[in-house]
Amino acid sequence: DGGITQSPKYLFRKEGQNVTLSCEQNLNHDAMYWYRQDPGQGLRLIYYSQIVNDFQKGDIAEGYSVSREKKESFPLTVTSAQKNPTAFYLCASSGQASQPQHFGDGTRLSIL
Amino acid sequence: AQSVAQPEDQVNVAEGNPLTVKCTYSVSGNPYLFWYVQYPNRGLQFLLKYITGDNLVKGSYGFEAEFNKSQTSFHLKKPSALVSDSALYFCAVRDRGSTLGRLYFGRGTQLTVWP
Repeated sequence: DGGITQSPKYLFRKEGQNVTLSCEQNLNHDAMYWYRQDPGQGLRLIYYSQIVNDFQKGDIAEGYSVSREKKESFPLTVTSAQKNPTAFYLCASSGQASQPQHFGDGTRLSIL
Repeated sequence: AQSVAQPEDQVNVAEGNPLTVKCTYSVSGNPYLFWYVQYPNRGLQFLLKYITGDNLVKGSYGFEAEFNKSQTSFHLKKPSALVSDSALYFCAVRDRGSTLGRLYFGRGTQLTVWP
C-alpha cells in the first residue's frame, strides 16, 4: 500500500541533544512537508520541499533543520536551539496542487 | 496573504442531528479547498475537496461541503451525525495560482457527537 511512514512513534529528547524524525513516502510525490501540532494551535508549517535537494522555511523554522537527498525521504532534525520542542510532529506529501496532502501518523516528541 | 478561519473551537451535536463545521478563508487568487479529519494520536485524513464546478462537494463517510464564493466560505456538513464522527476537523486552502504549493490550515474544530 502507498503511504507515508513516520518513525519513531514516540521520541524523548534530553537537554542539549539533537534528535532526528524520519519521514518516508512511497507515493512518488514531489512535495513533502513538516508540521508541528500543539493543542489549540492547529498545524504550523516548519519546512517544505517541492523537489529533491531544495527546501524552504515555513512559519516556524527556527531550531529545526531538514534535508531532501532522495525523493522518498524528508528527515527533520530538532536541534538543541529549539527550546520548546514538546509537540506532535506530522509529515505530509503531495503531488499536483489540486490534490490533497497525505499525512503520516506522526511522532510525539517529549523532553526528559 | 492566505488564511483560514474556523470560528468555533468546539461543536457539540446529538447523534442523528445534522452537523455543520464552519470555515471561511482568505486567498489572493482562486482557492483549492480541503477538509481533513484527525482522530487522537493519528495523522490527518482527507475528507473532501473543492476544485471547480458544483458548489456542493460530497466526500467520505457521508460528509459534504458547500463552497460559497461570495461569502468565501466552505462549511462542512453531514445530515445525520454519528458518535464515531467525534474528532478534530481541519479546513485548509491553497491558492491555485501559487507555485509554492503549501496549504494553509485553520486552527481546527473539535466535534463531539453525543449518543
